[in-house]
Amino acid sequence: GQQVMQIPQYQHVQEGEDFTTYCNSSTTLSNIQWYKQRPGGHPVFLIQLVKSGEVKKQKRLTFQFGEAKKNSSLHITATQTTDVGTYFCAGPENTGFQKLVFGTGTRLLVSP
Amino acid sequence: GAGVSQSPRYKVAKRGQDVALRCDPISGHVSLFWYQQALGQGPEFLTYFQNEAQLDKSGLPSDRFFAERPEGSVSTLKIQRTQQEDSAVYLCASSLSGTFYTDTQYFGPGTRLTVL
Repeated sequence: GQQVMQIPQYQHVQEGEDFTTYCNSSTTLSNIQWYKQRPGGHPVFLIQLVKSGEVKKQKRLTFQFGEAKKNSSLHITATQTTDVGTYFCAGPENTGFQKLVFGTGTRLLVSP
Repeated sequence: GAGVSQSPRYKVAKRGQDVALRCDPISGHVSLFWYQQALGQGPEFLTYFQNEAQLDKSGLPSDRFFAERPEGSVSTLKIQRTQQEDSAVYLCASSLSGTFYTDTQYFGPGTRLTVL
């Protein structure tokens, strides 16, 4: 079945440093979604990318969808302690509805 | 309501007990999903409803797991004869349609199940 991997599994940065997580799918995706999960919380939708090569920005966050629509990245510029959490990418399995296959996640820790 | 709600938030069960987990989706949302999230892992799909119809239950781990949504709104996930490996957070999500690939899924806070 479809598999979605993320690297790194974990990253610890100092506040102000940049952070990037990479997402790779075993199959071509119709779209890629990114979620953030705070410790003890639930996944919160961040953004969705649909087009090949698409780049979207949300303040300090930059999301990119690969040309082949099999990979994606999330880059955070000048991290803040509020960025702490686990970032998941997710892609829909081709079943005719939004059955999401989540990536393995990247846990981000930011020290002040 | 304003968002997806789930109850109880925490459940401790003795091995062999039956449990029922409830999900109240966002009003008017047609699609409802259940996911299981083990510690340190990403959510994994369990089952999907479109209105009251269960269209996919391929992710349910065993026949001890049963889900229903009889009136197309509230859903219940039931686990019979719980085992320790059932310990996880059970997340419910809803979306307006679910059939359009651009739909956003909104997640509830989850129920953390611990089986002793």
